[in-house]
Amino acid sequence: GENVEQHPSTLSVQEGDSAVIKCTYSDSASNYFPWYKQELGKGPQLIIDIRSNVGEKKDQRIAVTLNKTAKHFSLHITETQPEDSAVYFCAASINNYGQNFVFGPGTRLSVLP
Amino acid sequence: DADVTQTPRNRITKTGKRIMLECSQTKGHDRMYWYRQDPGLGLQLIYYSFDVKDINKGEISDGYSVSRQAQAKFSLSLESAIPNQTALYFCATSASIKGTASSNQPQHFGDGTRLSIL
Repeated sequence: GENVEQHPSTLSVQEGDSAVIKCTYSDSASNYFPWYKQELGKGPQLIIDIRSNVGEKKDQRIAVTLNKTAKHFSLHITETQPEDSAVYFCAASINNYGQNFVFGPGTRLSVLP
Repeated sequence: DADVTQTPRNRITKTGKRIMLECSQTKGHDRMYWYRQDPGLGLQLIYYSFDVKDINKGEISDGYSVSRQAQAKFSLSLESAIPNQTALYFCATSASIKGTASSNQPQHFGDGTRLSIL
């Protein structure tokens, strides 16, 4: 079955710097890759997603890149702000009727003022 | 996400007790999911349902059962709780696209139930 690895597990950056979180997946049939942000006491919230027919997607300060050959995808946050501090999860999903996502273990991002 | 409501938000109980966690949604989605979250392990799928009366096991279904009473409601039960079921539990929903059963849609999560079993 699918296995998703995520690195780093913790990341600290200075406010205004960029942050990059990387995920790798094992099943080449996976074709949908969402990213979720989880704040303390809240459920995961979708922040951006990418499908396998696209190499890059951007939404304001957030971007995701996908390398299908290498089977990895990354989240890029530019001009980080303290409110970006949270746990971020990547996921991979195979395009089948089950629509089951496999989640990475998460990255705790701390943006230091 | 206020459209997916989980009750209770916190629960402390004893080993051997039966517990039910409730999830209701106003998003109009037909697909619903229960996940368990443990520190450092991400989210693991317990059960999922694509419609009323449709129930499917996830990767960690042992010790759990579910009921899909209506399109908007999906409950998770622990028949006889044990301490290693102490975790954060999340309900999620997603839409389906008619005619494209294989098209992935994002999942929308509730704010979770923190369950402690002593």
